[in-house]
Amino acid sequence: DAKTTQPNSMESNEEEPVHLPCNHSTISGTDYIHWYRQLPSQGPEYVIHGLTSNVNNRMASLAIAEDRKSSTLILHRATLRDAAVYYCILRAGYQGGKLIFGQGTELSVKP
Amino acid sequence: NAGVTQTPKFQVLKTGQSMTLQCAQDMNHEYMSWYRQDPGMGLRLIHYSVGAGITDQGEVPNGYNVSRSTTEDFPLRLLSAAPSQTSVYFCASSPRAGHYNEQFFGPGTRLTVL
Repeated sequence: DAKTTQPNSMESNEEEPVHLPCNHSTISGTDYIHWYRQLPSQGPEYVIHGLTSNVNNRMASLAIAEDRKSSTLILHRATLRDAAVYYCILRAGYQGGKLIFGQGTELSVKP
Repeated sequence: NAGVTQTPKFQVLKTGQSMTLQCAQDMNHEYMSWYRQDPGMGLRLIHYSVGAGITDQGEVPNGYNVSRSTTEDFPLRLLSAAPSQTSVYFCASSPRAGHYNEQFFGPGTRLTVL
């Protein structure tokens, strides 16, 4: 299974943009890049996913490097509610519905 | 839609007891799965189902049984609880098993085995 590498923790100030990096140098051509987050004492929550092109939705943006070996989750204006563990997950076709979680990045947001 | 619901929210068992964690979804999703999360760790897949009547093992299946008699329900059975099964259990569902689909998670069941 292709692995991802994320920083253990990051800090941000409220109302500032946050860039959460993820390295996935062994990604295969058909692997999707997914991001989930887990707020304290809650189940994981889908954030965004992409294959090759950058993606935007109401929660965040996903910037994918041209060689696809890294990606960045962008929260445009962090709020206190965005404090969570963010998981970058590669999903391969043969894995079907499986999500393989790593350690993730714990994001703290300062007022 | 209620989404994915799990009961109970909390449970304490004694070693050797059995119990069933309930999971239900009202989104007509084909794919359902169970994960466990130990302190400070990411989630690990226990069992999954790609449709009613079809189940398969995940990464850590030992000590757990599942069945899928309806599309809506996917209960997880602990046959003989052990302290090593103390964890938070999350159920998830997805429209289909594809690797491009979003998954929806329930709020979790916190289980303690004494």
